[in-house]
Amino acid sequence: DSGVTQTPKHLITATGQRVTLRCSPRSGDLSVYWYQQSLDQGLQFLIQYYNGEERAKGNILERFSAQQFPDLHSELNLSSLELGDSALYFCASSALGGGTGGRYGYTFGSGTRLTVV
Amino acid sequence: EDQVTQSPEALRLQEGESSSLNCSYTVSGLRGLFWYRQDPGKGPEFLFTLYSAGEEKEKERLKATLTKKESFLHITAPKPEDSATYLCAVANFGNEKLTFGTGTRLTIIP
Repeated sequence: DSGVTQTPKHLITATGQRVTLRCSPRSGDLSVYWYQQSLDQGLQFLIQYYNGEERAKGNILERFSAQQFPDLHSELNLSSLELGDSALYFCASSALGGGTGGRYGYTFGSGTRLTVV
Repeated sequence: EDQVTQSPEALRLQEGESSSLNCSYTVSGLRGLFWYRQDPGKGPEFLFTLYSAGEEKEKERLKATLTKKESFLHITAPKPEDSATYLCAVANFGNEKLTFGTGTRLTIIP
């Protein structure tokens, strides 16, 4: 157990629908990062939050949004889903504002596997 | 934009046969280079962070080294349980995200 909790583990939904993925960071970590991993593209950075504020944005589609709550858990909302959104979605957390993530690096959760049918 | 290229894409070794994985990178000011191990369907597991050229770190049968343009992950006398995908990533001083390579899928044959 890495200390980063992601739910649900699996999600199957239809095109056009909306889903919410949840992440609880490791205790004490203030930064949360969301990554998408598809078979042909590897791990792609989507967005980072630090202590409730958006800190950095990657190649995140306009149909996707995220937030970090006062208790530091984060949610990734995916709407108007398309077949191509099927992927593993990972959350990672780090102890510091970012940088090298401290001596433990960035800690990843076990992911949510999203299948859009 | 930061770029990470890993080679080979896949590697099959006999148990006990040592080898090296390569990670070439271009980054605008290296803050850190990371190695992760990922098992199928699981999240990446942190192995090492390297900060500057010449640095080396070891963990069991793994040793990571860093130059100004590339990093190597040396695997000595591997065992079947070392089979996994090994990911390399970089972070620069301009932001806090990790840029990942596509990984090397390592298979150790008993």
